[in-house]
Amino acid sequence: VMTQSPLSLPVTLGEPASISCRSSLSLLHRNGFDYMDWYLRKPGQSPQLLIYKGTFRASGVPDRFSGSGSDTEFTLRIDRVEAEDVGVYYCMQVLPGFPFIFGQGTRLEIK
Amino acid sequence: QVLLQESGPVLVKPSQTLSLTCSVSDVSVSSASVSFYWIWVRQPAGKGLECIGRYSIYGESNDNPSLRGRATISMGRSKNQVSLELHSMTAADTAIYYCGRINSRPTVGGADPSYRGVDVWGQGTTVIVSS
Repeated sequence: VMTQSPLSLPVTLGEPASISCRSSLSLLHRNGFDYMDWYLRKPGQSPQLLIYKGTFRASGVPDRFSGSGSDTEFTLRIDRVEAEDVGVYYCMQVLPGFPFIFGQGTRLEIK
Repeated sequence: QVLLQESGPVLVKPSQTLSLTCSVSDVSVSSASVSFYWIWVRQPAGKGLECIGRYSIYGESNDNPSLRGRATISMGRSKNQVSLELHSMTAADTAIYYCGRINSRPTVGGADPSYRGVDVWGQGTTVIVSS
């Protein structure tokens, strides 16, 4: 089970934002990597990859997005929220040998 | 840049089988599947994203126990396609269905340290279950 918080996140433009994700099992593989991704589904668009393996920013993702954490606790941080960041953010556990599971989603909106 | 395109019926009757195809541009799925594998995800109306399952050269993995084995993912009829069949459809299966490419080398019994996430997604296709 992947548990995200908060489920709703109103943010002022230019302010930081953080989303937490907790896994019911350790996502830290013995190879040293955490198998947890972050995705954003903007309104009317397909999901897009933001962060993979917990902390690696995907190609083309602005550097205001960062991922941190390990084992069972992870955080997605946006340094300065912009209007284009509106949408629903999902964590997803991708540990090999286990079902891939999304968190419930966190809806980010501009105040 | 590889592109994915889902296709299939918009309307399905209850109890019927849904058949969707994910067409992968400019590459043979079978040859690409030594370097990538493929995922089907859906989003029911008003709900969050759900993984349905994955397909690699080593076979399929079902990710959603709530589907109770109704999903089958396989190589499509054409060499650049991945297919999803979902049997015994009900209104609860009404959703937008997405296919995606998992940027990771399939492994057996291990984890790929070069895993790079689901980095390419189709635009999605809406499926409505109604009589």
